[in-house]
Amino acid sequence: QVQLQESGPGLVKPSETLSLTCTVSGASIRSYYWSWIRQPPGKGLEWIGYIHYTGSAKYNPSLKSRVAISVDTPKSQFSLKLSSVTAADTAVYFCARDVRLYDSSGYAYFDYWGQGSLVSVSS
Amino acid sequence: QSVLTQPPSVSGALGQRVTISCSGSSSNIGAGYDVHWYQQLPGTAPKLLILANSNRPSGVPDRFSGSKSGTSASLAITGLQAEDEADYYCQSYDSRLSGHVVFGGGTKLTVL
Repeated sequence: QVQLQESGPGLVKPSETLSLTCTVSGASIRSYYWSWIRQPPGKGLEWIGYIHYTGSAKYNPSLKSRVAISVDTPKSQFSLKLSSVTAADTAVYFCARDVRLYDSSGYAYFDYWGQGSLVSVSS
Repeated sequence: QSVLTQPPSVSGALGQRVTISCSGSSSNIGAGYDVHWYQQLPGTAPKLLILANSNRPSGVPDRFSGSKSGTSASLAITGLQAEDEADYYCQSYDSRLSGHVVFGGGTKLTVL
């Protein structure tokens, strides 16, 4: 059974960096792409970006200047860093298994999701 | 403002059929990119409901079906059940700005 679990601080101060880690079990992190997706309270879903175990990554153009996603293959984890956060970055952050054929593939969907981690940005 | 447009809400009585639309443009659905659908029950993570326009993952009841035509896609739910009350999201790919995954704004389904 594939499982993903987010972990990290639930509260971040404005202008600081949000950091989250997703731990994958039941699947090889080498066999898929892995994405972060967020959902502000009461709003819709926004794709943040993906990482491949090779280190190849791609980000949503609207967040690209502030986002970095990395992977730690031996630990079967991938991580999100979002810098210079504001209240608008308050959201539930989901990690998900990203099924795509190749880098920048237009065919991509998310078949397993973590339970989500609420991160609030407030002083 | 989402790249893919969905109605904010739809409703239907128990046992009835409802459809949820997902309208895109020539840079996403109209360009031939597949549409995927997710169901999000209150307080939970989204669940993959339909992949590649009309395919149901294992375990998804055949009451759920998807279709795509031109620049739009639709999700149909027949024989509405109380447990179908949830938010539904469409997802595709947009080729602008070097290309990226895009979601619809979501539709809240109320079962009457």
